Amino acid sequence: QVQLQESGPGLVRPSETLSLTCNVFGDSISRSYWSWNRQPPGKGLEWIGYTYHSKSLNYNPSLRSRVTISIDTSKNQISLKLTSVTAADTAVYYCARVGSGWIQLDPWGQGILVTVSS
Amino acid sequence: DIQMTQSPSSLSASVGDRATITCRASQSISNYLNWYQQKPGKAPKLLIYGASSLQSGVPSRFSGSGSGTDFTLTITSLQPEDFATYYCQQTYSAPPYTFGQGTKLEIK
Repeated sequence: QVQLQESGPGLVRPSETLSLTCNVFGDSISRSYWSWNRQPPGKGLEWIGYTYHSKSLNYNPSLRSRVTISIDTSKNQISLKLTSVTAADTAVYYCARVGSGWIQLDPWGQGILVTVSS
Repeated sequence: DIQMTQSPSSLSASVGDRATITCRASQSISNYLNWYQQKPGKAPKLLIYGASSLQSGVPSRFSGSGSGTDFTLTITSLQPEDFATYYCQQTYSAPPYTFGQGTKLEIK
């Protein structure tokens, strides 16, 4: 059974860079596309982007200038970096595997809350 | 961007009832529509992909239908564990793969 687990700092200061990792267990990261999504407290879901071998990248235009998604195959890990953060980037961040065919997201990690505050 | 609009935003129903949630796309998305269930404090869970295919392990009381711009998630005979928030997501055109705003299903 595939499991995903996000990790990283829970507090980031404004204007700094948010850095998260997603460890994948039970599947080779080389075999699938992987996605990051987020959810501000009490609000809906937002798709951030996806990657495959870090060679096929697709980002939300609203975040493209600030976001980088990458893969470390040696660690079976996906990373997310978001620069110049503001309070609007406060959210629960989720990684998920992208299914082939219908591009469905399954499974998801449990999520990690990142608060942007000084 | 393709906009996804869910209705209603909230829905009250009783155990045993039938619940129907709709999702409308701002342009045709063929069958590239997925449904997720999210419970408080938990990650979303995939229910339906490709508009009508039931994800493995999901109870058969959940079903999806539609194509083009109009889609429906139906839950027959609601169970206590079904009260949650439901999201649709289009995966026809990226970026971005947009989600609907969510429908909160509450116990009456």
